[in-house]
Formats: sequence, structure tokens, C-alpha cells
Amino acid sequence: DAGVIQSPRHEVTEMGQEVTLRCKPISGHDYLFWYRQTMMRGLELLIYFNNNVPIDDSGMPEDRFSAKMPNASFSTLKIQPSEPRDSAVYFCASRLSSSATNEKLFFGSGTQLSVL
Amino acid sequence: LAKTTQPISMDSYEGQEVNITCSHNNIATNDYITWYQQFPSQGPRFIIQGYKTKVTNEVASLFIPADRKSSTLSLPRVSLSDTAVYYCLVGDLYSSASKIIFGSGTRLSIRP
Repeated sequence: DAGVIQSPRHEVTEMGQEVTLRCKPISGHDYLFWYRQTMMRGLELLIYFNNNVPIDDSGMPEDRFSAKMPNASFSTLKIQPSEPRDSAVYFCASRLSSSATNEKLFFGSGTQLSVL
Repeated sequence: LAKTTQPISMDSYEGQEVNITCSHNNIATNDYITWYQQFPSQGPRFIIQGYKTKVTNEVASLFIPADRKSSTLSLPRVSLSDTAVYYCLVGDLYSSASKIIFGSGTRLSIRP
């Protein structure tokens, strides 16, 4: 398996523009998580899905952020309009819920977002 | 959610054993303890997970005392490549309502 795939790897945009980050989870995984990482705030959970349904979006900073999971193999995180303070690394992660004792999150390589 | 407390940073030398302790006084009965490792410019990577006593894999050992209010990640004979941030997480993995929250982590620096 190729692992969790995120695109783009880097994104540079100007304030006010719409930004869409993409994630393909590991096939068969039923949980998908979006995190944001900055030096100041560390790794923050934004939202997570179970079987394509958003379970908790309390970490989404504000209405400018939205996330969707139209099917089991694809999710997007959209920022509209973007602001300089949104600059961060955005990670997507997936996991499989099961009775196995070694459940773990698998992270993608992240998207480095810079909003100028 | 059980809150975790770890040292902000640690230094050690190649070939040494490194022990990183995490406090989780409010751990719940159904909570597991999981450790992740993060290298610069990469996402965190699962290292080890346990519920009680001791767990060992090819990378590390995890020691959990009977009261489960703390845990210790042990890295044997570290090398420069073990320089990373290590996160301790506590949570109920089998609940659909279970968030997976990362704390500040411990920044481990290994010197030659």
C-alpha cells in the first residue's frame, strides 16, 4: 500500500485565495483525521471522520475552514478565504478500527501551506 | 480525555539508553497508551502501544506501572537518527467518539 497520500506537498498562495488540500487514506481504513501543525500550537486536531461521516469538527478554527469526505478514498480540507495565520503544515491521517491491539494512526507527508 | 505531561526536551548520546516518562494521572479504564515519533518535515509515526505492564517491539519498550498513571518509553542504544519529537497519547481506541489528541511532545536530541 502506498500509505496516506496528500497533495499538494507545498502550497503558496495569497491572502484571500481559496485553498484546497487533498487526502487519500489507506484503503480499507475507516477513520480519517485532519491535523494542523505550527511551532506555536503544536499538532492540533481539526476534524475527524468515521465511515465518511464527520464525528467531531470542534477543532476547526472558524467558518473559513471546511472538510468533506465524499467517499472512503478521498477527503478535502478547504480554506476560504485564506489568511496568513493559516500558514502551517496540514497532516491527514487514517486508521482502521478493529479489535487488534496495535491500532495506530498512519500519517501522510503533509501539505506545507504558506499564505502571503 | 486524559491529559498527558512529558518533559519538553531531553539530550543524550549515541549508544545510551533513553527513557522518556509521561504522566497521565486521569487515565480511564478503557484507555490505551500510545507513543509516536516525529522527524522534521514528516508526519508522526507509531512506535509502540500498551495497556499495562511491559510491551516490547523491535524499536522500543514501554513500561506501565500497575496504577497506569504514568508510562516510560525506553529506547535502547540510541543513534543520531533517533533525534525526533516523541509524543505520548492516551485514549480509548475502540470508541467511535474517541479523539486522538497530541500533546507538546518531548524533543529528543542525540549527540555523537
